[in-house]
Amino acid sequence: GQQLNQSPQSMFIQEGEDVSMNCTSSSIFNTWLWYKQDPGEGPVLLIALYKAGELTSNGRLTAQFGITRKDSFLNISASIPSDVGIYFCAGQPGTASKLTFGTGTRLQVTL
Amino acid sequence: GAGVSQSPSNKVTEKGKDVELRCDPISGHTALYWYRQSLGQGLEFLIYFQGNSAPDKSGLPSDRFSAERTGGSVSTLTIQRTQQEDSAVYLCASSLSEYEQYFGPGTRLTVT
Repeated sequence: GQQLNQSPQSMFIQEGEDVSMNCTSSSIFNTWLWYKQDPGEGPVLLIALYKAGELTSNGRLTAQFGITRKDSFLNISASIPSDVGIYFCAGQPGTASKLTFGTGTRLQVTL
Repeated sequence: GAGVSQSPSNKVTEKGKDVELRCDPISGHTALYWYRQSLGQGLEFLIYFQGNSAPDKSGLPSDRFSAERTGGSVSTLTIQRTQQEDSAVYLCASSLSEYEQYFGPGTRLTVT
């Protein structure tokens, strides 16, 4: 099935650094979601974006819905060790419909 | 409140056997989704329920896969005659609003 292009694939950063990752699609989506998945767990919803151009924050996380509706990015400021995990973007074409997921960004934070 | 729960958490089965995976959505959530996550892969959509009906079954990989939902609540995903390529984590998600989907912890299926 289709997957969204997500980059970077993985990153090592030092505690306290800011992180940026993005997601692109060949298709338009009406909703973008960002999830974090820890080993052995299901994905946990971090941020939901509903409108093109929208910029939304959740604590140290900030995400934006691209104006073309074909991309989104997620920033994490002042990273901490518990930010370690795999981050997935997901696009939804319409209401109450399936999510198409990105390929994931594996984040590792060193002290 | 209680989140989405799935059982069993792990299932090891022999090739050719049938398996049933269960999902209990968040109470009151009308929409329920099944996804599959293979090792090193992203999440792939399998099927979507609105109430007890399944308007989108487009992700089911073969006719060995089926799912049902009863009482607008619990859902069961059944895989018949399991194959090794069915080994994956099967994730269930539910939604009250039209957009945000909340995931359970998944069932890790291993077919030997």
